[in-house]
Amino acid sequence: EPEVTQTPSHQVTQMGQEVILRCVPISNHLYFYWYRQILGQKVEFLVSFYNNEISEKSEIFDDQFSVERPDGSNFTLKIRSTKLEDSAMYFCASSDSTTSQPQHFGDGTRLSIL
Amino acid sequence: EDQVTQSPEALRLQEGESSSLNCSYTVSGLRGLFWYRQDPGKGPEFLFTLYSAGEEKEKERLKATLTKKESFLHITAPKPEDSATYLCAVHNPSGGGADGLTFGKGTHLIIQP
Repeated sequence: EPEVTQTPSHQVTQMGQEVILRCVPISNHLYFYWYRQILGQKVEFLVSFYNNEISEKSEIFDDQFSVERPDGSNFTLKIRSTKLEDSAMYFCASSDSTTSQPQHFGDGTRLSIL
Repeated sequence: EDQVTQSPEALRLQEGESSSLNCSYTVSGLRGLFWYRQDPGKGPEFLFTLYSAGEEKEKERLKATLTKKESFLHITAPKPEDSATYLCAVHNPSGGGADGLTFGKGTHLIIQP
């Protein structure tokens, strides 16, 4: 069964450094998403992406964040200057439509900011 | 104000002891309610989508139902492998485009042998 894959599984970064999280969505999907989950808290929406542009973003997704689909298979989340509070699990998801099909999630990247 | 509220926060059952998990939502114009299962250190795994009041979906020991204000996830004769956190989510109310999901905090379910 096709799945969303995320790399790396764990990223440790010094505060203030840039980090790029990578995702390979399911191949025929058109809609891509990033979520985060701070330890012990709920899954929170960050951004959605369709047709090579951001479709929707939350208040969390400020100017420190950016997303890109650099080629036909990868979808990336960049955090420009990491803060301690960016420590969380980051999940990528994809779907082949907005409402009639579910979003399928990867197993996440655990981001630890020191 | 929370748009998705799940209860209970945690539930411990004996193997074979059936129960229900609740998800209350306050968004108007529901465009889909989703149930996911999340195991420790893993991403949410899709279980069900429900669209309209009265709809029901089943998968093995799980059945999801939907009313105009809430959804239930019924678990019948659970086994230890059903232990997980069960998440409920709805589409963000802003509408349009590729909409994100708003999740509840989840119910942490433990099934004891």
